[in-house]
Amino acid sequence: QKEVEQDPGPLSVPEGAIVSLNCTYSNSAFQYFMWYRQYSRKGPELLMYTYSSGNKEDGRFTAQVDKSSKYISLFIRDSQPSDSATYLCATRNTGFQKLVFGTGTRLLVSP
Amino acid sequence: DVKVTQSSRYLVKRTGEKVFLECVQDMDHENMFWYRQDPGLGLRLIYFSYDVKMKEKGDIPEGYSVSREKKERFSLILESASTNQTSMYLCASSPQRGGSDTQYFGPGTRLTVL
Repeated sequence: QKEVEQDPGPLSVPEGAIVSLNCTYSNSAFQYFMWYRQYSRKGPELLMYTYSSGNKEDGRFTAQVDKSSKYISLFIRDSQPSDSATYLCATRNTGFQKLVFGTGTRLLVSP
Repeated sequence: DVKVTQSSRYLVKRTGEKVFLECVQDMDHENMFWYRQDPGLGLRLIYFSYDVKMKEKGDIPEGYSVSREKKERFSLILESASTNQTSMYLCASSPQRGGSDTQYFGPGTRLTVL
């Protein structure tokens, strides 16, 4: 079993839709949770970062962590074609910065 | 603005060749990482380094070695390239041990081994 599971998609939505991207993880020691966005032919870039459970909002993006069910989510409001990319969740426990990544979900937002 | 650069965007090599992938970061970061990214498998950590001349094995170090002689430069070496090492290779850096989880990635090198 992979430590972090993520549906590869693709997820296709119309412009303006609310998008929900999700990951599950197996290690209850994971404390730090991140979402990276990767455009085609580019390296990933950090989008959102949360520690432990709870919500974090940044503009149109909301990251949510539910440690009781080991479930992490990224919500995108008013999605735009420029949001079309692959979204990778990542996590780690305390200590050194070795991240465990999900396989990524490809999102396509059509005009 | 953090910049991580990789020596090549595309590389084609033959089986058995020795391959060097170079990564340079300009933000004085202590930590540097090498990943490979494959469809369905995601990002997998090959090696990382948290200081000059220090290296630690990641999850899939077999067939690879690394070198970090200077703080800004982290090299990945394929001693004898094989076809199963055809992949996208991504380098990343981050500041200080135990600090931010922001890993800054380079654009990647797509390596094809024939």
